[in-house]
Amino acid sequence: AQKITQTQPGMFVQEKEAVTLDCTYDTSDQSYGLFWYKQPSSGEMIFLIYQGSYDEQNATEGRYSLNFQKARKSANLVISASQLGDSAMYFCAMREHIYGGSQGNLIFGKGTKLSVKP
Amino acid sequence: SAVISQKPSRDICQRGTSLTIQCQVDSQVTMMFWYRQQPGQSLTLIATANQGSEATYESGFVIDKFPISRPNLTFSTLTVSNMSPEDSSIYLCSGTRGNTGELFFGEGSRLTVL
Repeated sequence: AQKITQTQPGMFVQEKEAVTLDCTYDTSDQSYGLFWYKQPSSGEMIFLIYQGSYDEQNATEGRYSLNFQKARKSANLVISASQLGDSAMYFCAMREHIYGGSQGNLIFGKGTKLSVKP
Repeated sequence: SAVISQKPSRDICQRGTSLTIQCQVDSQVTMMFWYRQQPGQSLTLIATANQGSEATYESGFVIDKFPISRPNLTFSTLTVSNMSPEDSSIYLCSGTRGNTGELFFGEGSRLTVL
């Protein structure tokens, strides 16, 4: 079974509108972390936002917010006021076993390609 | 954020040859990883680069094909050996740092094997 599921291969959004990119995850751990990355056409991976499983509040970073619903095991990324430069691939990722400061590798979803229309 | 520089950024290689990718990180990075991203795909972990010892490989990846070195805390190399067109991918060096273990990435090395 996939650990990270991103069900939207591609999404379109109008410039200045908000968009939600879906991500669900599967883990039996109580202690885990969820990440979102952006990958423009240049290929670099840019970290956007992080949510720990014990964090009670949804993470926010500028125009990015993470809609964390623990019971549903979902960690959707919300981008407000979309800009043309937001057009890119977006990957959701998870690290398990983070209790005690584990810094193991991340498991990535298949990604969602976001296209922002002018 | 951590600084990770990687080279070459891209290369075109002939079948049967080998290429070594270099990755330099700043001193605050603790763990280092090498990922592969095949065209149109997500990232797949190749191995964890261990300082001063053999890398820890994921299932499906072997040392003979992807030898990795990490002679010190801030430098690692990945060699793609005896390349075939199926090895055409982006290879990404990454490292963790900080309480969240946020994973930072280099710019990636885009390899095309003819």
